Amino acid sequence: GDSVTQMEGPVTLSEEAFLTINCTYTATGYPSLFWYVQYPGEGLQLLLKATKADDKGSNKGFEATYRKETTSFHLEKGSVQVSDSAVYFCALSGSGGYNKLIFGAGTRLAVHP
Amino acid sequence: DAGVIQSPRHEVTEMGQEVTLRCKPISGHDYLFWYRQTMMRGLELLIYFNNNVPIDDSGMPEDRFSAKMPNASFSTLKIQPSEPRDSAVYFCASSLVGQSQETQYFGPGTRLLVL
Repeated sequence: GDSVTQMEGPVTLSEEAFLTINCTYTATGYPSLFWYVQYPGEGLQLLLKATKADDKGSNKGFEATYRKETTSFHLEKGSVQVSDSAVYFCALSGSGGYNKLIFGAGTRLAVHP
Repeated sequence: DAGVIQSPRHEVTEMGQEVTLRCKPISGHDYLFWYRQTMMRGLELLIYFNNNVPIDDSGMPEDRFSAKMPNASFSTLKIQPSEPRDSAVYFCASSLVGQSQETQYFGPGTRLLVL
């Protein structure tokens, strides 16, 4: 079945460091891919998405490129801030056409000043 | 729009008691999802509805859990009787097919503690 694998956390960085969170997927067909972010005590929020191969999603300085050949959707940011500390979830739209999302386990990011 | 609204935000109850969690989706959305989040198991999809009809309840842990959606603007998740292992954060999310490419909008969650 469809699945998403994320790098395990926590990821600990200093402010202004470069961030990469790896995400790979297994899916039938051509799913849409998403990154959601969860700040402490809150629900998940959509961070960015890509709907087809080679698309790049971007938002708030974060970006990810849909790589069909490597079945990956790695999240990157050039310079992280303390306010980026959160849990990041990679997800794909499941097959079946029912708007169902398959989430990865989440990666906790901690950014220190 | 107010976003997805969940109530209560926090619930503490004793084992054996009935617990009812409530959700109001974003107006006009036709999909509604219930998730459970724990440290051990991460984010799990419990059940989802389309146009108020349950589509897939395969994630519901057992018969103690039930969910209803009597109309387009309201859904409940009920646990009866509750057990300590049900302690988790329960999220409701909604989406609109044909718009925003399956983007789901999450509520703030209900943090449930069963003693």
